[in-house]
Amino acid sequence: EDQVTQSPEALRLQEGESSSLNCSYTVSGLRGLFWYRQDPGKGPEFLFTLYSAGEEKEKERLKATLTKKESFLHITAPKPEDSATYLCAPGSSNTGKLIFGQGTTLQVKP
Amino acid sequence: KAGVTQTPRYLIKTRGQQVTLSCSPISGHRSVSWYQQTPGQGLQFLFEYFSETQRNKGNFPGRFSGRQFSNSRSEMNVSTLELGDSALYLCASSPFSGANVLTFGAGSRLTVL
Repeated sequence: EDQVTQSPEALRLQEGESSSLNCSYTVSGLRGLFWYRQDPGKGPEFLFTLYSAGEEKEKERLKATLTKKESFLHITAPKPEDSATYLCAPGSSNTGKLIFGQGTTLQVKP
Repeated sequence: KAGVTQTPRYLIKTRGQQVTLSCSPISGHRSVSWYQQTPGQGLQFLFEYFSETQRNKGNFPGRFSGRQFSNSRSEMNVSTLELGDSALYLCASSPFSGANVLTFGAGSRLTVL
């Protein structure tokens, strides 16, 4: 059965304090690993797609990496505006759909 | 460029009633997917429509249904509402079927009393 686990569930950082979010997955027929960001009262917003182990993508203070069974979202010197819930979602070629994790809620204090 | 528009944003219903939610995708996007988001289960896929045809379906009971119109606008309907149907219902659009880079709307928050 396809499964996605994100950790930690919640993370509180001081502004400038770097950290990483983890996404572990077991998916049959992986068709990409997708990261989304969701702000309160809004729908998720696409951040990155990773397709191959070893691949990395960067956007401002965020960097996503992928291994065969995990993906990490590294946040370098975060700012309060990075506060959001970050969702990881492997795509399954078997089911043809995204399988979303429960998310990590990040709070960055000034 | 207008984003994905969902209406209504908030609604309250009682058990046993039915509800219809509407979604207007980004112009030119022909695929519309629906998701249910709850604190306990997270984001769960309901169904996807493309060119007025249901292309994929999640594991939800038959009380949940949807349709898509020729202008790509979509509606989802939930009949015989249960307390557990209280959730944020999100619609997402993409240019083609099976895409995983989705543009989401802000959602419709349904509360069942």
